[in-house]
Amino acid sequence: AQSVAQPEDQVNVAEGNPLTVKCTYSVSGNPYLFWYVQYPNRGLQFLLKYITGDNLVKGSYGFEAEFNKSQTSFHLKKPSALVSDSALYFCAVRDIRYGDDKIIFGKGTRLHILP
Amino acid sequence: DTGVSQNPRHKITKRGQNVTFRCDPISEHNRLYWYRQTLGQGPEFLTYFQNEAQLEKSRLLSDRFSAERPKGSFSTLEIQRTEQGDSAMYLCASSRQGGPSNTEAFFGQGTRLTVV
Repeated sequence: AQSVAQPEDQVNVAEGNPLTVKCTYSVSGNPYLFWYVQYPNRGLQFLLKYITGDNLVKGSYGFEAEFNKSQTSFHLKKPSALVSDSALYFCAVRDIRYGDDKIIFGKGTRLHILP
Repeated sequence: DTGVSQNPRHKITKRGQNVTFRCDPISEHNRLYWYRQTLGQGPEFLTYFQNEAQLEKSRLLSDRFSAERPKGSFSTLEIQRTEQGDSAMYLCASSRQGGPSNTEAFFGQGTRLTVV
């Protein structure tokens, strides 16, 4: 069965600095990996995904993520943080090899961007 | 594309009552997911459908929970004999199935259930 771990409950970054939100995954087959963001009292919004190909994927709002197969990681990154990036971020995985391809989410990381 | 729609947005019910939530997915999406989210936690998988077929139901779910998608379009989630521990946000999402460009799920705004 697939699983996702987000080792940090909270990440604090000063505005303008680069940010990284960590994610590791476990699947039996090949992973599809996703990042979502959730603002207060809002639903989850899709940010970006890795399916295949280039290990660095770019998404919405200047975010990008790097897929590392050997480390089974998919860390979310942004070169320069904005205060408006403060939100709850979720990593998710879909294991597409065995047909059991439901999407499983991590527990989330709260990102605080300090002005 | 009008997005995923969930109704009602909020529901307050007394313990022991039954509640039913509705989800209307994006029209061309054949996959539909239900998740439960408590404050500050990640979405917990409940069940999912491929068209009208229920593919899996979480072992964490008691028999008080049931979901249907009778015509492969909208879905309902029913909770019978509600308990205070059922208080949570119930999220619905939909996606296409198959192909690398059709993988991500799109979420509705959720239904917040409060059991008093």
